[in-house]
Amino acid sequence: GNSVTQMEGPVTLSEEAFLTINCTYTATGYPSLFWYVQYPGEGLQLLLKATKADDKGSNKGFEATYRKETTSFHLEKGSVQVSDSAVYFCALSDRLNTDKLIFGTGTRLQVFP
Amino acid sequence: GAVVSQHPSRVICKSGTSVKIECRSLDFQATTMFWYRQFPKQSLMLMATSNEGSKATYEQGVEKDKFLINHASLTLSTLTVTSAHPEDSSFYICSAQLGTQYFGPGTRLTVL
Repeated sequence: GNSVTQMEGPVTLSEEAFLTINCTYTATGYPSLFWYVQYPGEGLQLLLKATKADDKGSNKGFEATYRKETTSFHLEKGSVQVSDSAVYFCALSDRLNTDKLIFGTGTRLQVFP
Repeated sequence: GAVVSQHPSRVICKSGTSVKIECRSLDFQATTMFWYRQFPKQSLMLMATSNEGSKATYEQGVEKDKFLINHASLTLSTLTVTSAHPEDSSFYICSAQLGTQYFGPGTRLTVL
């Protein structure tokens, strides 16, 4: 079945460091891919998405490229800030039912000044 | 815009009692809402899809008689955990669909 695997955290970085959070997926067909972010005490928010191979999603300085050949959707940011500290979830949508989301386990990012 | 709230944020109950969790879309109407469960260090697992005015669609392995879902209006869905047991302790998250899914902040249920 469809599944998402992402790196375990926590990821601890100093401010202005480069961030990569790995995400790989298993799916039949061609799913859409998402990154959600959950700030402390808040609900998950859509950060970015990509709907087909080689698409790049971007938002708030974060980027992720849909790589079909490696079945990956790694999240990157060139210079993190303390305010980026949150839990990041990679997810895919089931093409048979585009309303359903399948999530990874989440990766906690801690950024220190 | 597109804010979803959940109430309560935390609840502790005794084994055998029932607990109701509310999910509200505050500034939009949602014909479809979703209920997820999250165990520590694990993914959000979809429990059921709640459609306004009709019965919920449960995922495989989720007991519909244990997790009662009601979606009586376009802004409110409720999840009732009946005869709760310690193994039902978890973090329950809802979302409401408006194009994309908008998520509530979650409810921490602890069953003693």
